[in-house]
Amino acid sequence: DVKVTQSSRYLVKRTGEKVFLECVQDMDHENMFWYRQDPGLGLRLIYFSYDVKMKEKGDIPEGYSVSREKKERFSLILESASTNQTSMYLCASSSLGTSGRALSYEQYFGPGTRLTVT
Amino acid sequence: RKEVEQDPGPFNVPEGATVAFNCTYSNSASQSFFWYRQDCRKEPKLLMSVYSSGNEDGRFTAQLNRASQYISLLIRDSKLSDSATYLCVVNRAGNQFYFGTGTSLTVIP
Repeated sequence: DVKVTQSSRYLVKRTGEKVFLECVQDMDHENMFWYRQDPGLGLRLIYFSYDVKMKEKGDIPEGYSVSREKKERFSLILESASTNQTSMYLCASSSLGTSGRALSYEQYFGPGTRLTVT
Repeated sequence: RKEVEQDPGPFNVPEGATVAFNCTYSNSASQSFFWYRQDCRKEPKLLMSVYSSGNEDGRFTAQLNRASQYISLLIRDSKLSDSATYLCVVNRAGNQFYFGTGTSLTVIP
């Protein structure tokens, strides 16, 4: 089974603090993703990475940066946390594979980090 | 226009009922399609992939209509444990995933 782990389930930080969210996957997946999920807005992609040291901006990268120094680890950094970054943060990984009869990229998610910025 | 659109519900159905969810996607270049299930305060988990010819997994049937650009999920004989939010997900070019906002289902005893 694919396992994606995140460093914290719950985190409370103050405005202006630097915040690090860590994600580790154990299935040698090429692709890793950071999303945030807010009520009524669904999952929104912040950044993704398709290889070590490679990164691409998603839909809402402002206020965030990422780091991928090793294939299994993808970090999300909030340089200066703000209250509007209070959210559920979900990490995911995926790889090209076959699922039944078709080529399929299936994403596997970590348990999420619920971040509150006060 | 959103990449993926779903009726948010909520759908409240009695145990044993059959319920169907639809989802539409806007980009005809979309390649792979999925239904995920998300329980309250938990991460999304893959329920099933959706194949062009349609596929079934127990009480769950997924169908894809590429011409009309919609995906459906049918749940037969609903159980209390089916209560969750169901997310429609569309994949393009390998690492581009687009999520619907989810459809909420509550199965009532």
